[in-house]
Amino acid sequence: GENVEQHPSTLSVQEGDSAVIKCTYSDSASNYFPWYKQELGKGPQLIIDIRSNVGEKKDQRIAVTLNKTAKHFSLHITETQPEDSAVYFCAALSSGSARQLTFGSGTQLTVLP
Amino acid sequence: GAGVSQSPSNKVTEKGKDVELRCDPISGHTALYWYRQRLGQGLEFLIYFQGNSAPDKSGLPSDRFSAERTGESVSTLTIQRTQQEDSAVYLCASSPKGSGIAGELFFGEGSRLTVL
Repeated sequence: GENVEQHPSTLSVQEGDSAVIKCTYSDSASNYFPWYKQELGKGPQLIIDIRSNVGEKKDQRIAVTLNKTAKHFSLHITETQPEDSAVYFCAALSSGSARQLTFGSGTQLTVLP
Repeated sequence: GAGVSQSPSNKVTEKGKDVELRCDPISGHTALYWYRQRLGQGLEFLIYFQGNSAPDKSGLPSDRFSAERTGESVSTLTIQRTQQEDSAVYLCASSPKGSGIAGELFFGEGSRLTVL
């Protein structure tokens, strides 16, 4: 099955700086890669996703890049703000018979004012 | 509200007791998922429903865990003879698309289970 590894597990940045979270996946047939943000006491919420036919996608201050050859994808947050502080999860959807989202272990991002 | 609703939000139980967790998905969403999130860890897939059938139960940790769903509506996750290692947040998510189709999962706020 799919295996998704996520790094770092914790990340602290100064307000206004950029934050980068990286994930690798094992199943070369995976073709959909969403990122979820989980605020304290809430359920995860989709913030951006990318399909395997593109290499990069942007939405205001967040962007995701995908390198299919290397089987890794990254979340980039620019001009970080305190409200960006949360746990971020990457995930991968394989195209095999067991098509389920496999989540990474999460990154606790803290934006320091 | 229009979101996924889960109850109870918090449950404290004694080891050996049975618990039932409930999920009300967004109306019209055919797919429903249960995940377990242990403290400081990622989301562990438990079970998936398409309508009221469960084509994938592969994530259920043991036969103490079971789930059912009524039509395309409410789902209950039952844990029998709870153990301390069952302590976690149980998250439910729904989607208008079937499993295996790329698309957003809409999560509830979870049910926090503590087994003493």
